[in-house]
Amino acid sequence: DTGVSQNPRHKITKRGQNVTFRCDPISEHNRLYWYRQTLGQGPEFLTYFQNEAQLEKSRLLSDRFSAERPKGSFSTLEIQRTEQGDSAMYLCASSPLRRGARGYTFGSGTRLTVV
Amino acid sequence: GENVEQHPSTLSVQEGDSAVIKCTYSDSASNYFPWYKQELGKRPQLIIDIRSNVGEKKDQRIAVTLNKTAKHFSLHITETQPEDSAVYFCAASIVVGISSGGSNYKLTFGKGTLLTVNP
Repeated sequence: DTGVSQNPRHKITKRGQNVTFRCDPISEHNRLYWYRQTLGQGPEFLTYFQNEAQLEKSRLLSDRFSAERPKGSFSTLEIQRTEQGDSAMYLCASSPLRRGARGYTFGSGTRLTVV
Repeated sequence: GENVEQHPSTLSVQEGDSAVIKCTYSDSASNYFPWYKQELGKRPQLIIDIRSNVGEKKDQRIAVTLNKTAKHFSLHITETQPEDSAVYFCAASIVVGISSGGSNYKLTFGKGTLLTVNP
């Protein structure tokens, strides 16, 4: 499958620990997006990149969250000092620049459980 | 910002029946409305989408209708099959400059509908 790849698939961590997730988009896609999905809810936008530039951050992305896409290829999402409320599925998506929202391909997500 | 409401939250139908899921949106500038299907433990996958310059779009057993005046859109699945069982999400987005390829990015999703098709 040459789609969007996310690692790890599952992460269990203790409250207060830091975690980092990785997303590898489809190689020719300029745009990369992070969403959070909690149980029984639709995905919620967190942030997006166009190449290496982070162009928007949602108010959901508190100062404990940081995302990077240093070379315009893969991206990482780090959560510092995790809280139980951070437990969710973190979805990454990518799209070609010219298609934007009309060209999303989602990854399978990283499920975070904070205990 | 945009707000998308989706109903019902759960829907159970018999195989062969039709299923209808409805969504409303708040931002009149939204002009792109996709529907995603998400099976348990899997990624959301686009099943159909519609732009605001179109009132209806059909793809085999799946159709979407859009009423811009009322700001609502609906997904219709006919002749349902057990493999249609999944969570369905509607979404809305503002896509600027469709004719030149579009330049928006963010989707606002509804809360989802769990569709169960009973054999």
